[in-house]
Amino acid sequence: DQQVKQNSPSLSVQEGRISILNCDYTNSMFDYFLWYKKYPAEGPTFLISISSIKDKNEDGRFTVFLNKSAKHLSLHIVPSQPGDSAVYFCAASAGQGGSEKLVFGKGTKLTVNP
Amino acid sequence: GAGVSQSPSNKVTEKGKDVELRCDPISGHTALYWYRQSLGQGLEFLIYFQGNSAPDKSGLPSDRFSAERTGGSVSTLTIQRTQQEDSAVYLCASGLAGNTDTQYFGPGTRLTVL
Repeated sequence: DQQVKQNSPSLSVQEGRISILNCDYTNSMFDYFLWYKKYPAEGPTFLISISSIKDKNEDGRFTVFLNKSAKHLSLHIVPSQPGDSAVYFCAASAGQGGSEKLVFGKGTKLTVNP
Repeated sequence: GAGVSQSPSNKVTEKGKDVELRCDPISGHTALYWYRQSLGQGLEFLIYFQGNSAPDKSGLPSDRFSAERTGGSVSTLTIQRTQQEDSAVYLCASGLAGNTDTQYFGPGTRLTVL
């Protein structure tokens, strides 16, 4: 039973356009959400996070939106760059950002074409 | 500074053999996590160590899996009597207590069970 779902295994966008990666969750106890980026043969690296008390968090080109009622979050990257090409994982925890185990989605492979 | 390191980077073993995977966390990090990523899947939580507290072993898939963390630093994940379904990338992360954002991942160990 997947608690965190990323229904799009891949996404392809043109350089300079917006990339939108989606994530849905089922566990209403989740109160902290994160996006990780992973290049081949490397471990995931933290990108951006959002607490359930917020509906938006922005960091440079990256913005995460949270819709608690729909149990849905999305990552927007604008403008997209070829270096953004990677696998993006959505993750959730139930510890309000404490040192809690993370529950991950299966990932979305983003390809940004020059 | 040095990140999380894992060894070996690749391990091929025969079904039924025992394997040990090693993780060297970032110095000073009190939290240490093991995850695994099977082909086409997201990261799956295995076990979590926090300081001197009893580890959270809730993600270990069977009693063939065990982990230790010696001296609050290096950790080893042991898989006894390996099975083909154990084939995956095993990822270790370390972090600071109280902050999920700071889970820094190592590059992983790719385990192949023939």
